[in-house]
Formats: sequence, C-alpha cells, structure tokens
Amino acid sequence: EPEVTQTPSHQVTQMGQEVILRCVPISNHLYFYWYRQILGQKVEFLVSFYNNEISEKSEIFDDQFSVERPDGSNFTLKIRSTKLEDSAMYFCASRDPGLNTGELFFGEGSRLTVL
Amino acid sequence: AQSVAQPEDQVNVAEGNPLTVKCTYSVSGNPYLFWYVQYPNRGLQFLLKYITGDNLVKGSYGFEAEFNKSQTSFHLKKPSALVSDSALYFCAVRDRNSGYSTLTFGKGTMLLVSP
Repeated sequence: EPEVTQTPSHQVTQMGQEVILRCVPISNHLYFYWYRQILGQKVEFLVSFYNNEISEKSEIFDDQFSVERPDGSNFTLKIRSTKLEDSAMYFCASRDPGLNTGELFFGEGSRLTVL
Repeated sequence: AQSVAQPEDQVNVAEGNPLTVKCTYSVSGNPYLFWYVQYPNRGLQFLLKYITGDNLVKGSYGFEAEFNKSQTSFHLKKPSALVSDSALYFCAVRDRNSGYSTLTFGKGTMLLVSP
C-alpha cells in the first residue's frame, strides 16, 4: 500500500539553527500538508501546498517557515532559525486529487527537538 | 472558522465492552468529518469519514461513528473493545463549503482498554 514517508524520524538541533524536514508524498497525490503536534497537545495545521504554491497557511506558519517541492517527489519544510517552542512532532500529509472529500494520508512524523 | 471538541482526555473501558469516544464540531457550513487513530510513535491513521448519506458510517477495525446534525456530534463507537484498540484518537472536521481541504483536529482522546 502506498504511503507517505518522512525523514529524519528524529532530529536534535541547537536553537537558532536551520532545519529541513523531508517528505515523500504518495506518488499520484497533488495536495500536500504539514501539521505539527507539540507533546501532549493537539495536531495543528501549518500549511497546505498545491500546484507549486502555498494554498493556505496558519498563524503558526510565520516567516521562519518555508515549504518547497524541489523535484517531482520531495516536499520539504524548512525552519530558518529554530526556537525552543518549535520542538514538536511534524507530520506531512498528502491527498488524492480525485477525492474531494478531504481524506489525508499522513506520514509517521519527524520529531524535532530544539535545545 | 471550524473547530472540534473532544471533551474527554481519556476513556477507560474493559475488553469486550462497548466503547464511545465523543466528538462535537463547529463549522459555518456543512461538515466533512473524520476519525484518525495514532499509535505510540506512529503517524495518524485514517479510520473513517462522514461525507453524506447514512448517518452511521463504518470504518476500519470494527469502528463506526454516528453523525448527528442537530447535536453537531460525531461520536466514535465500537461494540466490543480490544486491548489492541488502546491508542490516541483524533476527530477532525472540514467545512465542505470551504475552498480548502485543511482539516482541523481535536486535541485527542486517549483510549485505554484493560484486559
């Protein structure tokens, strides 16, 4: 069964450093998303991406964050200068363009720890 | 704006007993509703969804959920719980009138099934 894959599974970084989280969505999907989950809290929407541009973003997704689809397979989330409060599990998700009913398929997440 | 409330942080049930995990939602239009499950150190797995039609929807692993428009609820149910059902359950909503496919999640309910 096709799946969304994310790397790294866990990254530890120093405050102020840049981090790139990588995702390979399901191959025929065209809508891509990043969500995050701070430990013990709810899953929060960050950004959605379609047709090589951001289609929607939340208040969390400030100028420190950026997304990119550098080639035909990868979808990346970059945090320019990490803060302690960026420590969270980051989930990538994708959606089948033929399913307008909004069902998302999630990866297993990348845990980011900022020290 | 759309939102989801899961009033219980944790639900405890004995194996073999029926279980219910509660969810209420708020959208400006009509909803698409979803349940996802998260096992420890894993991503979110899709369980079931309500799009239209029959208010009782059936999903994976014997779970079902009932859409109640008047009560704006979408409670998750299972007739007979298994220990392996123990996990974190998230309810999510999307306004079908929204041009975007972003899902809004509740804070999650931990289900603990005892042997």
